[in-house]
Amino acid sequence: EIVMTQSPATLSVSSGERATLSCRASQSVSSNLAWYQQKPGQAPRLLIYGASTRATGIPARFSGSGSETEFTLTISSLQSEDFAVYYCHQYNNWPPWTFGQGTKVEIK
Amino acid sequence: QAQLVESGGGLVKPGGSLRLSCAASGFTFSDYYMSWIRQAPGKGLEWVSYISGSSSYTNYADSVKGRVTISRDNAKNSLYLQMNSLRAEDTAVYYCTRALGYCSGGSCYPDSWGQGTLVTVSS
Repeated sequence: EIVMTQSPATLSVSSGERATLSCRASQSVSSNLAWYQQKPGQAPRLLIYGASTRATGIPARFSGSGSETEFTLTISSLQSEDFAVYYCHQYNNWPPWTFGQGTKVEIK
Repeated sequence: QAQLVESGGGLVKPGGSLRLSCAASGFTFSDYYMSWIRQAPGKGLEWVSYISGSSSYTNYADSVKGRVTISRDNAKNSLYLQMNSLRAEDTAVYYCTRALGYCSGGSCYPDSWGQGTLVTVSS
């Protein structure tokens, strides 16, 4: 099973600032990596797939990069609606699908 | 736009059973692999099971293997999860998801999620 490790666990950022979230895979997942955003009481929402492709309707301030074992989600200028928990997810090898433990982006 | 609506959650005693349902609309249901993913209170996401469009292929997480059965009815655009011998650690919100990508080749991801249904296992 591929283990996904996200860092940091919590990121405190001011509105308008840049946020950089990291995700590491225990073995190569090629570019088969997705990012999801989850707000309290809501289902996760797909942001990025293929490590760097934005899903339909996702604003350009969200960008993904990386390959193999190291990945990054960048939010270029945080808006109030971006404060949430973000999960990375590898789908290179299923079963099982595996997810990171999440990074909470909170208001500084 | 894909819509997924789960139902069937509730409070059940340890050892009990529950059947979750997911009603799909807005896409050709039979064309897609579907999956269940769960989230324990305050925790992260855990994949539970998947099923191919024709029901030919299914698979389960080790944590539920032998206790859970996934199925679908393409005529009713519905996905199901039969859960038996429930344990306290099965307490979670269960999400129905559609899988996008090359599932038969082993690389697809959940793109659409339902709102979830809460299963609580407690005496």
